[in-house]
Amino acid sequence: RKEVEQDPGPFNVPEGATVAFNCTYSNSASQSFFWYRQDCRKEPKLLMSVYSSGNEDGRFTAQLNRASQYISLLIRDSKLSDSATYLCVVTLYNQGGKLIFGQGTELSVKP
Amino acid sequence: DADVTQTPRNRITKTGKRIMLECSQTKGHDRMYWYRQDPGLGLRLIYYSFDVKDINKGEISDGYSVSRQAQAKFSLSLESAIPNQTALYFCATSNNMNTEAFFGQGTRLTVV
Repeated sequence: RKEVEQDPGPFNVPEGATVAFNCTYSNSASQSFFWYRQDCRKEPKLLMSVYSSGNEDGRFTAQLNRASQYISLLIRDSKLSDSATYLCVVTLYNQGGKLIFGQGTELSVKP
Repeated sequence: DADVTQTPRNRITKTGKRIMLECSQTKGHDRMYWYRQDPGLGLRLIYYSFDVKDINKGEISDGYSVSRQAQAKFSLSLESAIPNQTALYFCATSNNMNTEAFFGQGTRLTVV
């Protein structure tokens, strides 16, 4: 079983839609959690960190459920510019904090 | 200038050749990583280093080796390249386990 798993999609949604991505992780020693965005085979860039209490940044909301070992990302009012691949990332406390990536979820927002 | 620089950006090499991919960073971070990306598989960890004297294997280290020449430099070598090492390679750095990782622009490697 992969340490971090995501639905690869693609998710095809119209502009203005709300879309949610989920990510599950298998290692209970996971320490920190992030969502990264990757455009068309360019380098990944941090979208947002994920905190235990949940956090919001504009149209983006991230949630963490440690008991069930999953992370979610909600995008409201989707824009064309949100089209990208979204990568779930965890760091493993019991392995010095190395970064482990999910395989990514592709989002395509259509006019 | 980019904070994390990878060279070369693109490379085509022949099966059996030795090739080195280089990564340098100006972030002052101790932690550096090498990943490869293949379609549908996300980023898979090859090697990582938490300081100059620390080198660790990732999930797919076979066929690769690394050298941490200085805090700012982390090189990845393919001793004898094979076609299934054709991929997009990324170098990344981070300050600690709880903070953002910064990536280089990637090296697109093709082994023919």
